[in-house]
Amino acid sequence: GAVVSQHPSRVICKSGTSVKIECRSLDFQATTMFWYRQFPKQSLMLMATSNEGSKATYEQGVEKDKFLINHASLTLSTLTVTSAHPEDSSFYICSALSGEGRNTIYFGEGSWLTVV
Amino acid sequence: GENVEQHPSTLSVQEGDSAVIKCTYSDSASNYFPWYKQELGKGPQLIIDIRSNVGEKKDQRIAVTLNKTAKHFSLHITETQPEDSAVYFCAATLNYGGSQGNLIFGKGTKLSVKP
Repeated sequence: GAVVSQHPSRVICKSGTSVKIECRSLDFQATTMFWYRQFPKQSLMLMATSNEGSKATYEQGVEKDKFLINHASLTLSTLTVTSAHPEDSSFYICSALSGEGRNTIYFGEGSWLTVV
Repeated sequence: GENVEQHPSTLSVQEGDSAVIKCTYSDSASNYFPWYKQELGKGPQLIIDIRSNVGEKKDQRIAVTLNKTAKHFSLHITETQPEDSAVYFCAATLNYGGSQGNLIFGKGTKLSVKP
């Protein structure tokens, strides 16, 4: 099946710094990618929808200036957590829409962010 | 907007038994219903999906049924194995042409298969 790669898988950063997470579709072009946040033992919470070449659409309650999303190519979207705080510590997951006739969504492996 | 309810939240079965997870959705316009398996610390893995033009789909030990009238869909796992233990999420969305609505997830079901 289609592969979506996320990097880094784990990152620890100091409070106040910024961290970037990359999401790549390895064997298909993804005009649309999605970013989720997941707290322990909970479901996935959609943060934003990222469309190649345009601004991301953020869900209500998600700060667009804090969670910067860039979708510069058909295979890469990035999420930058700016001025990170301990409460930003979470599991961040991206997904990509494979539009090759079936419009199926595939997920990356997720990135654990710990802010100390 | 769409709302997806998933039951049960936890399910424990004996190895070899069947497991059934049920979901209901609210938006009759939704037409794409994927199921994901998530192991601890990993991203969700698509295991099967169904579109509204069919009522049932099967892939080896996994099957999904869809009742559009009642707006519910179910995941069936037969001959369960310990490696089936994970959290399973159902989702629903409007999928049309080259666009894709946002996936709305259920709250998940933690399946435990006891050897």
